[in-house]
Amino acid sequence: GAGVSQTPSNKVTEKGKYVELRCDPISGHTALYWYRQSLGQGPEFLIYFQGTGAADDSGLPNDRFFAVRPEGSVSTLKIQRTERGDSAVYLCASSLYASDYNEQFFGPGTRLTVL
Amino acid sequence: SQQGEEDPQALSIQEGENATMNCSYKTSINNLQWYRQNSGRGLVHLILIRSNEREKHSGRLRVTLDTSKKSSSLLITASRAADTASYFCATNAGNNRKLIWGLGTSLAVNP
Repeated sequence: GAGVSQTPSNKVTEKGKYVELRCDPISGHTALYWYRQSLGQGPEFLIYFQGTGAADDSGLPNDRFFAVRPEGSVSTLKIQRTERGDSAVYLCASSLYASDYNEQFFGPGTRLTVL
Repeated sequence: SQQGEEDPQALSIQEGENATMNCSYKTSINNLQWYRQNSGRGLVHLILIRSNEREKHSGRLRVTLDTSKKSSSLLITASRAADTASYFCATNAGNNRKLIWGLGTSLAVNP
């Protein structure tokens, strides 16, 4: 079956603009996670959803970042007033349930470049 | 925030040799997972070891966990050029479902 997909694969924007990044999880997976990864670093947790609700948003760096998952499937990560420091690869993952022992399946990521 | 620290940061070996990577972490954990990342396939889950387990095998992979030292090792035996990738450890703890990641080890397997 299809894996996790993310669109766009690349996004170049100018400082101060608004961007939306989309994640389509594996069908039937109830948990969805957002991470971001800078060059040479490991992924950094941003937020995760169990169903439609954000179960843990402690990793969002500030209030310019927001994510939604209105129907418990597709999720959108929204970044307002982008800054150059937001440049990174944004990774989405899904798992059957949000538990300690469920493998997370990752999408290919969206590379965001803020000029 | 980073939880784990992998060492070495970079490792270069010949095909057929074994590769060992280590991961240390700071807090008590529920489990520790190893992932591989390369440009072609993104992040792929390799193996999960629970906090009450000490060793686990999967194919050519062997993972150990020492909770007293807060460390884990990943051994890849009989390495292949296709094993060239970055390897990350990730942990979760308490009621958290999020994964906290290390900085990764970059492995190059030379044919």
